Formats: sequence, structure tokens, C-alpha cells
Amino acid sequence: QKEVEQNSGPLSVPEGAIASLNCTYSDRGSQSFFWYRQYSGKSPELIMSIYSNGDKEDGRFTAQLNKASQYVSLLIRDSQPSDSATYLCAVKSTNAGKSTFGDGTTLTVKP
Amino acid sequence: DVKVTQSSRYLVKRTGEKVFLECVQDMDHENMFWYRQDPGLGLRLIYFSYDVKMKEKGDIPEGYSVSREKKERFSLILESASTNQTSMYLCASSFPPSEETQYFGPGTRLLVL
Repeated sequence: QKEVEQNSGPLSVPEGAIASLNCTYSDRGSQSFFWYRQYSGKSPELIMSIYSNGDKEDGRFTAQLNKASQYVSLLIRDSQPSDSATYLCAVKSTNAGKSTFGDGTTLTVKP
Repeated sequence: DVKVTQSSRYLVKRTGEKVFLECVQDMDHENMFWYRQDPGLGLRLIYFSYDVKMKEKGDIPEGYSVSREKKERFSLILESASTNQTSMYLCASSFPPSEETQYFGPGTRLLVL
């Protein structure tokens, strides 16, 4: 079992729809959770971080964390073609200096 | 803005050559990381460093070494390049514990012939 698993994708949604990206992790000691976006040919950039159970909203993006279920998700409302990218989930435990990344889910938003 | 730079965007080397990939960050970050990214395999950690002269093996350190003589600079060394080291190499830095976000450089696409 991988430490961090994401939907294998690819995920395709129409413009204006809600895109839902999911991530599960195996280390119960994990404390910090991140979503990175990576456009084709570019390097990853952070879009959301979440540390507590519940929802965290930033514009059209909402991160959801459920530590009991070891699950973190990213919702993108009113999806735009410019949201088409690969989304990487990263998880970090308190005592580790490094984050573990999932393989990513590729999202395509069709006009 | 945090800036992480890598010495080359594209590099072509021959099997057996010694290869140096350089990474520099300008925000006095404590942590620095080297990853490789391959289609279908995601982002895999090669080595990371907590501080000057400190290094820790990541998930795939075989065939690689690193050097961190100055806080702002983290070098990845391929002692004897092989074709299976053809990949995209990404450097990142972060400033724990107050800031755990990793800031990535633009990447170096290495082709080993």
C-alpha cells in the first residue's frame, strides 16, 4: 500500500462544474496536508494547506480533512479550463522533515 | 517572493559522466530537497537536507549523492550517470516549522545517452 494514494484519474469535468479530488494516507501521525497544482511542463506550486479537521476555503477551492478516516480532499467550484492541471496531494507527519507526495490526479476542464 | 533556481533547464550527458545539478534558494530556508519526477511514478524524494552539511536519504538515493556547503545551495551529484537516470529533477526548499510549504525550482530535464 502506498503511503499517499490519489484517484488514478484522469478526471474530466465540464466548465462550471465542481471537481472533486481525493487523497488517502496511511500514517496516522500525519499532521500537515497540502495540495499542489502542476501545469504541464511546470513545477508544482502550493494551492492549499490544511492542518485541522474540517473544511478550509480559499476562493473557489475548498480543502476537506478527516483525520479519523485518513482522508483529505480538494473541491474546485466553478471549474475553469485554466484549472486543467495535475493536482498533487502531500502529507507530512510532525516528526518528519519531509512530505510524502501522491502520484497526482490529472484534471481536464472542458469548455 | 521565494525564488528557487536550478542551474540548467535541459541537460544532455553521456553514460558514465559525472553530473552536477545545482539548486539555489534566496529565502534563507532551512530545508532543501531533491526529487525526480517520472511519468506514472509521481514525485520521488532522492535526498533532503535540514541544514548546512546535513543530509538525509530519501526514498531513492541509490546512484546519487548530495552536497550542502552553504545554506542557500544544495547540489545533486550523479557519480556515474546511467540511462535510467534520465528524468525531470526538481529542487525545493521550505522553512519549518512556521512555513512548511515547499517552493519548487523550475526543474532540470536530464537526458542520459
